[in-house]
Amino acid sequence: GAVVSQHPSWVICKSGTSVKIECRSLDFQATTMFWYRQFPKQSLMLMATSNEGSKATYEQGVEKDKFLINHASLTLSTLTVTSAHPEDSSFYICSAAGTRDVWTQYFGPGTRLLVL
Amino acid sequence: AQTVTQSQPEMSVQEAETVTLSCTYDTSESDYYLFWYKQPPSRQMILVIRQEAYKQQNATENRFSVNFQKAAKSFSLKISDSQLGDAAMYFCAYRSGVDAGGTSYGKLTFGQGTILTVHP
Repeated sequence: GAVVSQHPSWVICKSGTSVKIECRSLDFQATTMFWYRQFPKQSLMLMATSNEGSKATYEQGVEKDKFLINHASLTLSTLTVTSAHPEDSSFYICSAAGTRDVWTQYFGPGTRLLVL
Repeated sequence: AQTVTQSQPEMSVQEAETVTLSCTYDTSESDYYLFWYKQPPSRQMILVIRQEAYKQQNATENRFSVNFQKAAKSFSLKISDSQLGDAAMYFCAYRSGVDAGGTSYGKLTFGQGTILTVHP
């Protein structure tokens, strides 16, 4: 299957700091990337959708100033959690759709964020 | 808006046996895609199988097959000859076949998930 990577896989930060998570499509061009948040044993919650070169579209209830998304190239999207607080601690997953198969999302391995 | 329902929070199966996971969805669209994703303890989401709504034939991938009943809006996953590595949380997902602006925009609507335990 298509390969999507995420970095870092684990991050611990202090409250008030910002954290950047990278999502890369390694073997295809990702015209669209998606960012999800997931709590243990729950389903994925879509946060935002980004198209290369365009502003991200955020889901209702997601603070766009807190979760900054940039999709600067066809292989890279970043999610920056600004001024992180303990309630932002979660598992963040990205996915990508594009030249490999426009109808299917391929997922990265996820990033565990712990804010102290 | 579309909804996806997985009514079985947990299922269990003996190794080598067959298990079926249920999924129903609600939509007014005629063109759409349905997916089953697997999320093992590593939490990496893995595509198991995909079904195009316009195809009458049920999709099959090795030991995994679906029973797609379009009129009933049902999309169940059958796992044959279950293996210990099949233990995971399984998500059913819906994607509209209509794209906004001709770009690949389609969001996935996920079900609540079913935790599958495989007993040796």
